[in-house]
Parts: sequence; structure tokens; C-alpha cells
Amino acid sequence: DAGITQSPRHKVTETGTPVTLRCHQTENHRYMYWYRQDPGHGLRLIHYSYGVKDTDKGEVSDGYSVSRSKTEDFLLTLESATSSQTSVYFCAVWDAGTSYEQYFGPGTRLTVT
Amino acid sequence: AQSVSQHNHHVILSEAASLELGCNYSYGGTVNLFWYVQYPGQHLQLLLKYFSGDPLVKGIKGFEAEFIKSKFSFNLRKPSVQWSDTAEYFCAVNAGGSYIPTFGRGTSLIVHP
Repeated sequence: DAGITQSPRHKVTETGTPVTLRCHQTENHRYMYWYRQDPGHGLRLIHYSYGVKDTDKGEVSDGYSVSRSKTEDFLLTLESATSSQTSVYFCAVWDAGTSYEQYFGPGTRLTVT
Repeated sequence: AQSVSQHNHHVILSEAASLELGCNYSYGGTVNLFWYVQYPGQHLQLLLKYFSGDPLVKGIKGFEAEFIKSKFSFNLRKPSVQWSDTAEYFCAVNAGGSYIPTFGRGTSLIVHP
């Protein structure tokens, strides 16, 4: 599982509240990603990081921000949660050193009421 | 920008039937190709990948895929499916040297015992 953990695993929050999801990896991978998964849409990239303090937007970045102050942690923040952000969020890393593939975390199920 | 199409959104099979899931991509340069599987309630895991060489790639659990460059396709096959293959399957493509893969919308496979 490439040592990826996500927290929390489940969260219910109210519209308008800020929410931060955390992704933690233990294997020093340079590239990290946040995806959301919704029925009929597959996986959509929200933001990604290619190093500490280096991040960029994906295809569905509106309403989300990220930060990466340490190699091992990649935070996703919903500044003011909306019901359209109810989803399952997956963090991933890219093993660019050996297997050249992505590894995914266990996911966070977020419900915005 | 590259795009990935998975033509079969839902597939229902009986055990022992053969499986073929389509994946087409649009990108004219060198690509790396992946198939991931997501079992119910779990995260994505790599089934197989293609970088170069033999266009017929064998993966885990009896799956294989064939890269046909002229057709921009990377179809997934399994000669005889099992109930335990019930899952969602995602095709992903990234341009050679890139670390930002594009995912298809996924195919939901249900195998009846």
C-alpha cells in the first residue's frame, strides 16, 4: 500500500464549514495527488504536488486548496464546503523510482449536509 | 490534452465468461498505459501496465491487455472471469515522461456466480 494513510476516513460536515483532509506517506515520494471519485465521473484530479511547496491545479480545483510543507504530508482544504463536494477523496503518490506507477490511499468519504 | 474513453460503463457476466473491456486514448506521442481495479469499498490497485516492448501485457489475477498503437487502444481481457472479479476497472494514460495520468470514467463489472 506504499505507506499511504488518509485522515479522517469518514466525515460529515455542514455547508459553509471549512474542512481539511490529510494524506500522509512514509516512502518519500516526490509526487502526490488528490482525486475525487463520483459515480459516472471516475477519478478526477483536484490538485497535485511535485515537491515541498510545489503544487498545481487539476481539472476540478475550484473550491479546493492544498498545501505541502513536508514531503510526507499533503493537505486538501475545502474552504467553505458545499453539497457538490460530497464525494470520496483519494490521495495518491507516484513511485517514480522503481515501479513507476501510482499508489492510492484508502480514501476519505466526505458528506456535506 | 490527452483523453481516455472507456466504452463499456457497465458489464454483467456469468462466471467463466470471457471479458474484454475497451480503452481508447487520444494522444499522438509516447504513452504509458495502466489498468487499475477497485474492489467494492477499497482503493485502486494496479492490475497491469505498459511502457514499451511486447504489446501484450500480463498482469495479476489472470488479466492481460494488448496495446494496439494504430488504434490508440489498450483493451483489458480475461479468458474466464470469477465472482471475485466484481469490481470497477479504470484505464489510465500518461504521456511518456509525465507524472499526471488521465483516467477513464471506469467500467463497473458484475460477475454472477
